[in-house]
Amino acid sequence: QKEVEQDPGPLSVPEGAIVSLNCTYSNSAFQYFMWYRQYSRKGPELLMYTYSSGNKEDGRFTAQVDKSSKYISLFIRDSQPSDSATYLCAMSAASGTYKYIFGTGTRLKVLA
Amino acid sequence: DADVTQTPRNRITKTGKRIMLECSQTKGHDRMYWYRQDPGLGLRLIYYSFDVKDINKGEISDGYSVSRQAQAKFSLSLESAIPNQTALYFCATSAGFYGYTFGSGTRLTVV
Repeated sequence: QKEVEQDPGPLSVPEGAIVSLNCTYSNSAFQYFMWYRQYSRKGPELLMYTYSSGNKEDGRFTAQVDKSSKYISLFIRDSQPSDSATYLCAMSAASGTYKYIFGTGTRLKVLA
Repeated sequence: DADVTQTPRNRITKTGKRIMLECSQTKGHDRMYWYRQDPGLGLRLIYYSFDVKDINKGEISDGYSVSRQAQAKFSLSLESAIPNQTALYFCATSAGFYGYTFGSGTRLTVV
């Protein structure tokens, strides 16, 4: 079993829809949770960063962490065609090594 | 200029050849990393370095070596390339728990 599981998609939604992207994990030591966006032929870029549990909002993006269920989510409101990309979750334990374990990514297509 | 620069962007090489991928950064971060990305497998850590004198193996270091020439430079070498090392390679930097800054990647094909 992988430490981090993520549905590869592709997920296709119409423009304006609310998108929900999810990851599950098995290591209860994970404390730091991130979402990255990766456009084709580009490196991943950090979208959201969350420590421990709770919600964090930044514009159209909301990140949620549920440590009791070992489940994290990224919501995108009013999705745009420019949101079409692969979304990677990543997480790290509070071990001081600063190594992140990545999900395999979910490919999102927002249709105009 | 990009914060993290990788060269070359694309490379095709033959089996058995030695190849070096280079990474330089202007972020001033101490920590640097090399990952490879494969479809269905995601990003996997090859090597990481916390400073010039600190080099650590990641989960898939076999067949790879690295050199940290300076705080800003971290290169990855394939001593004798093989076809299953065909992948997208990313260099990343970090200042701590606040995530990585990635380069744009090197697409390597071993034929």
